[in-house]
Amino acid sequence: GAVVSQHPSRVICKSGTSVKIECRSLDFQATTMFWYRQFPKQSLMLMATSNEGSKATYEQGVEKDKFLINHASLTLSTLTVTSAHPEDSSFYICSARPVGEQFFGPGTRLTVL
Amino acid sequence: KQEVTQIPAALSVPEGENLVLNCSFTDSAIYNLQWFRQDPGKGLTSLLLIQSSQREQTSGRLNASLDKSSGRSTLYIAASQPGDSATYLCAVVVGSEKLVFGKGTKLTVNP
Repeated sequence: GAVVSQHPSRVICKSGTSVKIECRSLDFQATTMFWYRQFPKQSLMLMATSNEGSKATYEQGVEKDKFLINHASLTLSTLTVTSAHPEDSSFYICSARPVGEQFFGPGTRLTVL
Repeated sequence: KQEVTQIPAALSVPEGENLVLNCSFTDSAIYNLQWFRQDPGKGLTSLLLIQSSQREQTSGRLNASLDKSSGRSTLYIAASQPGDSATYLCAVVVGSEKLVFGKGTKLTVNP
């Protein structure tokens, strides 16, 4: 199957700092990528749809100024959590869909102290 | 609003047993349904994708069925093994390729 990578896999930061998470499609091009967030024992929730060359589409309740998304190329999307707070601590996962099924990255565990 | 429910939330079985995981969704207007496996602290591994026009898909010891009209899907695992222990997630694809997930079923297969 297709391969999606994420970096970093784990990050710990202080409250108020910004954190950038990268999502790459390694063996296919993705005009669209998706960013999800998963809290413990909860479903994955779609945060936003990242569109190459245009603005991201955010789900209701997700602050676009806090979660900045940049999809600069057909293989890379970045999510920046700005001015992170402890409540932003979560598991962030990206996905992309070459054809048919969606493939997910390994996820990034963010802990904000 | 589409909602996906998975029952049971957790399941513990002895090795070798056949088992069924259930998934239900409230809106039958879906493009497809996908089953995933998630190991602790890891990303998702796609197991099976069923298109809305299909009734079932099989891969090895896994068989997934879809009854779109009743809003149900099942994942059947034959001859379970300890390595099958993980959380199994069901997700339906709605408009704009958006995935809506259930909370998952945590499976433990005991040796």
